[in-house]
Amino acid sequence: KAGVTQTPRYLIKTRGQQVTLSCSPISGHRSVSWYQQTPGQGLQFLFEYFSETQRNKGNFPGRFSGRQFSNSRSEMNVSTLELGDSALYLCASRGVLQGDRSTYEQYFGPGTRLTVT
Amino acid sequence: GQQLNQSPQSMFIQEGEDVSMNCTSSSIFNTWLWYKQDPGEGPVLLIALYKAGELTSNGRLTAQFGITRKDSFLNISASIPSDVGIYFCAGKGYSGAGSYQLTFGKGTKLSVIP
Repeated sequence: KAGVTQTPRYLIKTRGQQVTLSCSPISGHRSVSWYQQTPGQGLQFLFEYFSETQRNKGNFPGRFSGRQFSNSRSEMNVSTLELGDSALYLCASRGVLQGDRSTYEQYFGPGTRLTVT
Repeated sequence: GQQLNQSPQSMFIQEGEDVSMNCTSSSIFNTWLWYKQDPGEGPVLLIALYKAGELTSNGRLTAQFGITRKDSFLNISASIPSDVGIYFCAGKGYSGAGSYQLTFGKGTKLSVIP
């Protein structure tokens, strides 16, 4: 079974631009979560999508947004980029089955390394 | 928000030694997960724990879900060079409005000296 894929793997943008990152979850997984990882703050939760609806949101400004499509693929958008947005952006998927205790086992993609100059 | 304290932040050990790291929280978690991350890659799930007191092994790795539900530890026995990486704990907790989310520790960077 193929793992979580993220595109692109690397991206360089300038301040003020906007960026869209893409994530394809493991086949059959309907939940996709996004995280920002930086050396100083570690892994921070951005948001989770399930069945095309945002189910949970972390403490990030409105410049960070996302969406999920009917095939469970997800995109994350960051508008008006700032230098501090430079980070590794990770996507994770999980299966969601009623009564299955494994439903919080999140599987991560390789990440997109975003550099803002 | 919920906070996880993971320690130690880093450790240097000799190949063959055993390693222990732990996470503590002021909040109760229903699930504890342990991940390993190699440079340039996403975290890989090592062990999942679902019940207080649960002790689970995966090869040379053993993890336990603390009885108070506020802590967990990970042990690695007989370390080898490929154990090098950053290990993260994560706790599943209630985030309000019927939602749950994972909170991650800051990681333990493990270096193994051959």
